[in-house]
Amino acid sequence: DAGVIQSPRHEVTEMGQEVTLRCKPISGHDYLFWYRQTMMRGLELLIYFNNNVPIDDSGMPEDRFSAKMPNASFSTLKIQPSEPRDSAVYFCASSLNGYTFGSGTRLTVV
Amino acid sequence: AQKITQTQPGMFVQEKEAVTLDCTYDTSDQSYGLFWYKQPSSGEMIFLIYQGSYDEQNATEGRYSLNFQKARKSANLVISASQLGDSAMYFCAMREPSNDYKLSFGAGTTVTVRA
Repeated sequence: DAGVIQSPRHEVTEMGQEVTLRCKPISGHDYLFWYRQTMMRGLELLIYFNNNVPIDDSGMPEDRFSAKMPNASFSTLKIQPSEPRDSAVYFCASSLNGYTFGSGTRLTVV
Repeated sequence: AQKITQTQPGMFVQEKEAVTLDCTYDTSDQSYGLFWYKQPSSGEMIFLIYQGSYDEQNATEGRYSLNFQKARKSANLVISASQLGDSAMYFCAMREPSNDYKLSFGAGTTVTVRA
């Protein structure tokens, strides 16, 4: 089992550009979560899916953020357009009983 | 309202000594789960230990143990025989059915192990 796989590990982009973060959950896990971690706000839940269906996106900060889960093995988090304040580490986690986190994507928007 | 409170922003511990990280929680659910994660400087979130609210015994995993005091709503993590590799940020988290099994995290405690 390769665990939860996130890509890219690091992303540096210019303000205004579109950013897409990717996540492959563990096979068989029925929940998928996107978290954002910053020094100021700690770990924040952005959105989560159950059986590929978005359940709660109340943590998504703005309309610039969107997430999809087209199938059980893939999810994306998109920011369009990106802003410097979006700079953070973005984690994907999947769950069946426990929770397994990916290695995170460190996003820097300049 | 804060669901998970970790009051210690940072702690220093001498190598080979034990350290206790505090965690208190707030829930009205009868059934819930408590988790501890370690985040080293490399950034990944590593699961350490889990305690279910109905578990009669305190959870243990190697050098990690959880001091679960249900009436006090506390779930402190004890790391015994600290090693230099234990230097990291530690997060307490809770899962509640009323919150649709989302994980709520505390602010974290940074542990620095001194040689």
